[in-house]
Amino acid sequence: GEQVEQLPSILRVQERSSASINCTYENSASNYFPWYKQEPGENPKLIIDIRSNMERKQIQGLIVLLDKKAKRFSLHITDTQPADSAMYFCAASASSSFSKLVFGQGTSLSVVP
Amino acid sequence: EAAVTQSPRNKVAVTGGKVTLSCNQTNNHNNMYWYRQDTGHGLRLIHYSYGAGSTEKGDIPDGYKASRPSQENFSLILELATPSQTSVYFCASGEGGPDYTFGSGTRLLVI
Repeated sequence: GEQVEQLPSILRVQERSSASINCTYENSASNYFPWYKQEPGENPKLIIDIRSNMERKQIQGLIVLLDKKAKRFSLHITDTQPADSAMYFCAASASSSFSKLVFGQGTSLSVVP
Repeated sequence: EAAVTQSPRNKVAVTGGKVTLSCNQTNNHNNMYWYRQDTGHGLRLIHYSYGAGSTEKGDIPDGYKASRPSQENFSLILELATPSQTSVYFCASGEGGPDYTFGSGTRLLVI
């Protein structure tokens, strides 16, 4: 089955700087790569995703890059704010219908003033 | 209103006891999933279902059973709960892609 590795596990950045989280996957058939944000005590919520027919996607201050050759994808948060402090999870789906997401281990992001 | 509802929100169980976690979805999705979340492991898939009457083993099914009696309901059953099953459990529904929706989670403590 698919395995997804996520680094770093803990990330601390200064307010207004950028934060980057990296994930790698094993299965070359993986075709859908979402990112979730989880606030303390809440459930994970989708913030951005990318499909295998794209290399880059941006939604406001969130940028996702996908390198299929290296089996690597990454989330970049630009101009970070304290409200960006949360747990972030990457995920990948290897099935043709995008279902059954496999998650990375998570990154705890702290944005400090 | 929430499209995926889990109950209970919190549960304390004794070792060796039976625990049932319930999940109801109003998204009319065929696929439903049970994950557990532990620090350092992210979300790990326990069981999933492609529709009423079907259950499939995920990545960590040992010690768990699942039941999908209807399109809307998907239960996770711990027949003999152990302290190692103390965790936060999330149910999700989704056909794939951005429609993947999580419930609010169940915090289970096995003592």
